[in-house]
Amino acid sequence: QKEVEQNSGPLSVPEGAIASLNCTYSDRGSQSFFWYRQYSGKSPELIMSIYSNGDKEDGRFTAQLNKASQYVSLLIRDSQPSDSATYLCAVKPGYALNFGKGTSLLVTP
Amino acid sequence: DVKVTQSSRYLVKRTGEKVFLECVQDMDHENMFWYRQDPGLGLRLIYFSYDVKMKEKGDIPEGYSVSREKKERFSLILESASTNQTSMYLCASSSESSGNTIYFGEGSWLTVV
Repeated sequence: QKEVEQNSGPLSVPEGAIASLNCTYSDRGSQSFFWYRQYSGKSPELIMSIYSNGDKEDGRFTAQLNKASQYVSLLIRDSQPSDSATYLCAVKPGYALNFGKGTSLLVTP
Repeated sequence: DVKVTQSSRYLVKRTGEKVFLECVQDMDHENMFWYRQDPGLGLRLIYFSYDVKMKEKGDIPEGYSVSREKKERFSLILESASTNQTSMYLCASSSESSGNTIYFGEGSWLTVV
């Protein structure tokens, strides 16, 4: 079983702060990495994908990948209450994605 | 936009019934997947298909089967439903041409009583 590990949280940050979400994975052969957001009772929706070492920015979101350390993170700048959700890290070693169990984020006004 | 449609959103079935969950995608994706999601266990892959009539077992295939007769349609079958199959079922699709991003349907909530 290829492991994807995330801290379950909840991670609580005040509105306007930076939220930092972390993920480690075990399969060194993984080449594609994804962050999904899931609101309660809804299906996961893609936030970002990252394939190369370094940072990738998209609006308030920045994904960071370090393949040597088998580590991927997501930073959310200027956090809003609407960002409160569970964030799923996913790693693609083959056809399918392996998901972490998710980190619950709570942004307090 | 990618559209993955799960026809049944909420189902209640009796133990021992045969259950069909249907999924259709409109983006000509070659890959389709069935996951289930349970509290504390996360998303677990049941089966996937990388082409018509092709299927591969995921991490938890026991008690399930699948059918892919057309590229756009992927069905999950519970041969004899049991209470431990009460869960949210998520269908998804992906394609190399779209960066292998997996897109999910809205989910099917199944309760087996």
